[in-house]
Amino acid sequence: LAKTTQPISMDSYEGQEVNITCSHNNIATNDYITWYQQFPSQGPRFIIQGYKTKVTNEVASLFIPADRKSSTLSLPRVSLSDTAVYYCLDTDKLIFGTGTRLQVFP
Amino acid sequence: GAGVSQTPSNKVTEKGKYVELRCDPISGHTALYWYRQSLGQGPEFLIYFQGTGAADDSGLPNDRFFAVRPEGSVSTLKIQRTERGDSAVYLCASSITGGSAGELFFGEGSRLTVL
Repeated sequence: LAKTTQPISMDSYEGQEVNITCSHNNIATNDYITWYQQFPSQGPRFIIQGYKTKVTNEVASLFIPADRKSSTLSLPRVSLSDTAVYYCLDTDKLIFGTGTRLQVFP
Repeated sequence: GAGVSQTPSNKVTEKGKYVELRCDPISGHTALYWYRQSLGQGPEFLIYFQGTGAADDSGLPNDRFFAVRPEGSVSTLKIQRTERGDSAVYLCASSITGGSAGELFFGEGSRLTVL
């Protein structure tokens, strides 16, 4: 069963760049990697999705190396409101990991 | 409404009772997903519908859990003979087409507490 692995928690300060890495060793050829953000008492919310190399949108960048066995979510200049749990999802297997709890301090 | 709607938002029941949780997906979304989430854990996949049929029900934990989507829109998750271990937030999501490349839109969840 495909599984993703992420650090359990990370701390940062406002204005810093945060990079969260997920390993997905069993990713299949056609699988996409998707990242979600979740606040307490809410459902997860889509952040970004990619297949390979680099994808950037208005809130984040996603880096996927050539072997696709990992991906890195990059959040530029985090703010207090970015405090949340971040999940990478093996899209084909529909499996979420335990997530990375990001705490941003002032 | 514009988003995925789940009812009830909170349900408290007694051990052994039957429970139904409803999900109203975004209009036009053919794919619908059920997850459950326990405190401090990531969402756990239960079942995925493509239209009216269950494309993948491998996450249903046992035969007390059943889900339907008779007209390819609203879905109901049914739990028989509830147990205390069923207490969790049940999340529903929908996507336009399903498949590997697609954004899942989640509802706020239904919090089930089994006493």
